[in-house]
Amino acid sequence: QSVLTQPPSVSEAPRQRVTISCSGSSSNIGDNPVNWYQQLPGKAPRLLIYYNDLLPSGVSDRFSGSKSGTSASLAISGLQSEDEADYYCATWDDSRHGYVFGTGTKVTVL
Amino acid sequence: QVQLVQSGAEVRKPGASVTVSCKTSGYTFTTYDINWVRQATGQGLEWLGWMNPNSGDAAFAHRFQGRVTMTRTTSTSTAYMKLSSLTSEDTAIYYCARGKMGGSFDSWGQGTLVTVSS
Repeated sequence: QSVLTQPPSVSEAPRQRVTISCSGSSSNIGDNPVNWYQQLPGKAPRLLIYYNDLLPSGVSDRFSGSKSGTSASLAISGLQSEDEADYYCATWDDSRHGYVFGTGTKVTVL
Repeated sequence: QVQLVQSGAEVRKPGASVTVSCKTSGYTFTTYDINWVRQATGQGLEWLGWMNPNSGDAAFAHRFQGRVTMTRTTSTSTAYMKLSSLTSEDTAIYYCARGKMGGSFDSWGQGTLVTVSS
């Protein structure tokens, strides 16, 4: 059972904006940077956001991340069909002495 | 460019062990941690542990301690993950991933399907 909770799914029309939440606790999000991964169907995950709000080279600036207290969020603006994927938040958990992933959110473009 | 190329699919019987390799290129192998993550079919991502390729030190998620080992061969820039005492619940795709500062994984292998079946 993951200690990071995400909504199972979100959906929105093309060109709209979606936000995915990631809820944790003081031992994980509250004390460590949050990363986000995108997993396209049948593919390996890809780093999307690191250190709460930084974009790796090559990632579209339509993606943005934020963190406040024990929660984090990923926003996708100008939604495109190619954004249909599973998205996972992740961070270190001090209590578990390990890296933890969120439950994952499936994004559907209507 | 950075590449992590994993070994091919494996089938094992319950109780057996499996070793997955992860051959890296495009960067200095000893300067980035290697993490292992797995994903059962239709399920989320689960972290198994990490290894420092320079020192060989490794740390594992609690639930895998005693059952997983992580090693490396620096001359070939290859990391290995061995999981023992397999059960059907270990059936999953196993990924290696390069670790960056801040705990993010910036490059991933293509994944190795491990099937445990009698």
